[in-house]
Amino acid sequence: DSGVTQTPKHLITATGQRVTLRCSPRSGDLSVYWYQQSLDQGLQFLIQYYNGEERAKGNILERFSAQQFPDLHSELNLSSLELGDSALYFCASSVVAGLTEAFFGQGTRLTVV
Amino acid sequence: QKEVEQDPGPLSVPEGAIVSLNCTYSNSAFQYFMWYRQYSRKGPELLMYTYSSGNKEDGRFTAQVDKSSKYISLFIRDSQPSDSATYLCAMSDLRRGDTDKLIFGTGTRLQVFP
Repeated sequence: DSGVTQTPKHLITATGQRVTLRCSPRSGDLSVYWYQQSLDQGLQFLIQYYNGEERAKGNILERFSAQQFPDLHSELNLSSLELGDSALYFCASSVVAGLTEAFFGQGTRLTVV
Repeated sequence: QKEVEQDPGPLSVPEGAIVSLNCTYSNSAFQYFMWYRQYSRKGPELLMYTYSSGNKEDGRFTAQVDKSSKYISLFIRDSQPSDSATYLCAMSDLRRGDTDKLIFGTGTRLQVFP
């Protein structure tokens, strides 16, 4: 167990809908990263938050947004969902703003039908 | 061309074999190199990381970095069925005072059969 908790584990929703994925980092970790993993693209970096503030952005679509709350948990919001958004979404956390020792959660499997 | 290339496999070997997993990359600014192991339906788990060139050993695992060739390797000695997983390489060009993001390879699926 990495100490990073993601909910829900599975999510099935229809196209056009909006969902929220939640991540609780390890105790004491200030940095949260979101990644998308699909079969053909591998793990793609979406966005990073550090102590409540956005720190880096990757290949995140405009339909997606995230935030980190004062208690350091983070939420990834996906809207106007398309079939191609079906993927595993991972959250990772680390103590500082660096990924040399990041720990990943077990992911949320999103299926858009 | 992707920044990080990794053969997707699958790679199937008998128990006890030495396994060699490799990645190539194009960005010469990469300084941190990591290997993650991902079991089916689980999140990636950090196995090893190295900074710059050289070797690092941890038990049955050895990571090698050759920056001149832009090539990294992970060797697994005395492979076990429990090593069956997908192995992801990842790299970063973290600079002091800057944030970083890991660029991942697509992963190599390894199967070790008894």
